[in-house]
Amino acid sequence: QGQLVQSGAEVKKPGASVKVSCKASGYTFTSYYLHWVRQAPGQGLEWMGWINPNSGATNYAQKFQGWVTMTRDTSISTVYMELSRLTSDDTAVYYCARGPGRYLFDYWGQGTLVTVSS
Amino acid sequence: QSALTQPPSASGSPGQSVTISCTGTSSDVGGYNYVSWYQQHPGKAPKLMIYEVSKRPSGVPDRFSGSKSGNTASLTVSGLQAEDEADYYCSSHAGSNNPYVFGTGTKVTVL
Repeated sequence: QGQLVQSGAEVKKPGASVKVSCKASGYTFTSYYLHWVRQAPGQGLEWMGWINPNSGATNYAQKFQGWVTMTRDTSISTVYMELSRLTSDDTAVYYCARGPGRYLFDYWGQGTLVTVSS
Repeated sequence: QSALTQPPSASGSPGQSVTISCTGTSSDVGGYNYVSWYQQHPGKAPKLMIYEVSKRPSGVPDRFSGSKSGNTASLTVSGLQAEDEADYYCSSHAGSNNPYVFGTGTKVTVL
């Protein structure tokens, strides 16, 4: 039974960066890709990209290329998502989700609210 | 890549059935059998309900079923229960340049 636990809410000023963590437990960390999905207030879901915890390889959605960075620390079974040059449009709940292949997400973190405000 | 199109809302009385559509193109829904459905209660993370068009993960009631015809996928919830009231999102693979695309979301209300 997998579990993903994310870091707490953040408040950032425009132009700043934010780094959100996602700690995995209950399964072999390096066996499954981890994805990041965000949801703006009252809006739908938006896929941002994935990281392969085994190799560190990443694949970002075209929209986020150049301003999102996903990394991992295998020693603590944790992945990170850093988003730079924040604007108010980046105010959203950010979720990590496990991807076991076949283009689905079977376990989700609880979400991290990032608020961008001056 | 545009979001997949879902109706904003759907409703039914307890015990009835409700069907939600998810319309895409031949580049996403119509091109792959990788359609998933997620249930999201307010303030909670999404939960996988259906994957690969019609498969149910362990623990999901068989009241939930999925299907696809052409560029449109559908989720049917039979025997509606109060706890089924939630937002539902479809998702599809959309090719190597855009592996994951979500639907616009449908709010299901149990009357």
